[in-house]
Amino acid sequence: EAQVTQNPRYLITVTGKKLTVTCSQNMNHEYMSWYRQDPGLGLRQIYYSMNVEVTDKGDVPEGYKVSRKEKRNFPLILESPSPNQTSLYFCASSFSGPISSYNEQFFGPGTRLTVL
Amino acid sequence: AQKITQTQPGMFVQEKEAVTLDCTYDTSDPSYGLFWYKQPSSGEMIFLIYQGSYDQQNATEGRYSLNFQKARKSANLVISASQLGDSAMYFCAMREGIDLHSNYQLIWGAGTKLIIKP
Repeated sequence: EAQVTQNPRYLITVTGKKLTVTCSQNMNHEYMSWYRQDPGLGLRQIYYSMNVEVTDKGDVPEGYKVSRKEKRNFPLILESPSPNQTSLYFCASSFSGPISSYNEQFFGPGTRLTVL
Repeated sequence: AQKITQTQPGMFVQEKEAVTLDCTYDTSDPSYGLFWYKQPSSGEMIFLIYQGSYDQQNATEGRYSLNFQKARKSANLVISASQLGDSAMYFCAMREGIDLHSNYQLIWGAGTKLIIKP
């Protein structure tokens, strides 16, 4: 089954304790992205990756790191989480190329993070 | 300025009625794509329908259709014969960029919460 998986689905942690949210896709997509969703703000992009070893900042990258060592995996790292990073996080992936429905972004199930 | 505007924070609709969810967008890029996603209370994002800026016809997918008015920069989602399972948040999103190397970022509206009444 074609899918994007994220782990963990739920996480409660404390300020300053490093954490990693994993993301993996099995569709051989070149493009992967992390978004955070906050009420009334829609989704905002944190980081994205056009392909292996190619990553770049989105709109809200502060406090986050990513890596893309393999095509299928795109972990999100919070080195020192703070309460303002409490949010719902989504990983997404798609094929690259010109805009079309072929570029539909497939989303993981989301990770609900609470930082106390 | 907001690139995607969804003016209806919430809507109540009677089951079996048609519903239109509004979306206006702002871009100077001649090449763009518009996407609608559904987010049920369980949280996952479900792709519904896509409209490309150069598409001649309005997109349709089953009970979903997109009323695309390019000159007005609007891309409203129409759900025909609504069902209880349609109750969810609905997001309009846009991807800009004719440049093949550009970020394929989706820019999102704030969403509309749709509740279908039995």
